[in-house]
Amino acid sequence: ETGVTQSPTHLIKTRGQQVTLRCSSQSGHNTVSWYQQALGQGPQFIFQYYREEENGRGNFPPRFSGLQFPNYSSELNVNALELDDSALYLCASSSTNDFGSPLHFGNGTRLTVT
Amino acid sequence: KQEVTQIPAALSVPEGENLVLNCSFTDSAIYNLQWFRQDPGKGLTSLLLIQSSQREQTSGRLNASLDKSSGRSTLYIAASQPGDSATYLCAVVTGANNLFFGTGTRLTVIP
Repeated sequence: ETGVTQSPTHLIKTRGQQVTLRCSSQSGHNTVSWYQQALGQGPQFIFQYYREEENGRGNFPPRFSGLQFPNYSSELNVNALELDDSALYLCASSSTNDFGSPLHFGNGTRLTVT
Repeated sequence: KQEVTQIPAALSVPEGENLVLNCSFTDSAIYNLQWFRQDPGKGLTSLLLIQSSQREQTSGRLNASLDKSSGRSTLYIAASQPGDSATYLCAVVTGANNLFFGTGTRLTVIP
């Protein structure tokens, strides 16, 4: 059973740039969700994708967008980066689209915006 | 807006001690509550999921309870071990398919 993998592990960007983060879901899972975790804080839910459509969203502006592909892998795109976007970005896959089954997390991408 | 609080923020206990971690939430209209652990620099590992209709769930040395009406959950860890050292996070799921995490409790088990 292949777990959730995220790439890259670390990334440094400049304010105003755009970034794309990638996530491969666990085998058999059709739902992916993304989270932002600032240092010393709990994760904040960004959005969830199910069958290639957004299926729930937290309190994040539209410059945070995503995609899900037919193989259930996913991308998180952030435009017009701000310093406060510096955080650990986590993705999780699951077998249901209602948070009713355990979430399986990757190890995250550490994004630094300078 | 749902707010989730975890107290204490940090806890140190000697090996072998039983301990309780607390989680409280402001809106009792939840779908389920979940407990996770996070090791430094890593992702989260799911520990227990309690449906809103349930009162508790158990897995090995872990027992989680849920009192929805009072907006509280506890995670009980029996016979703590150094390998239990991690940050423990609770999260509540609302009917709007949204999920809210607490800020976590950092647990250190001293050998």
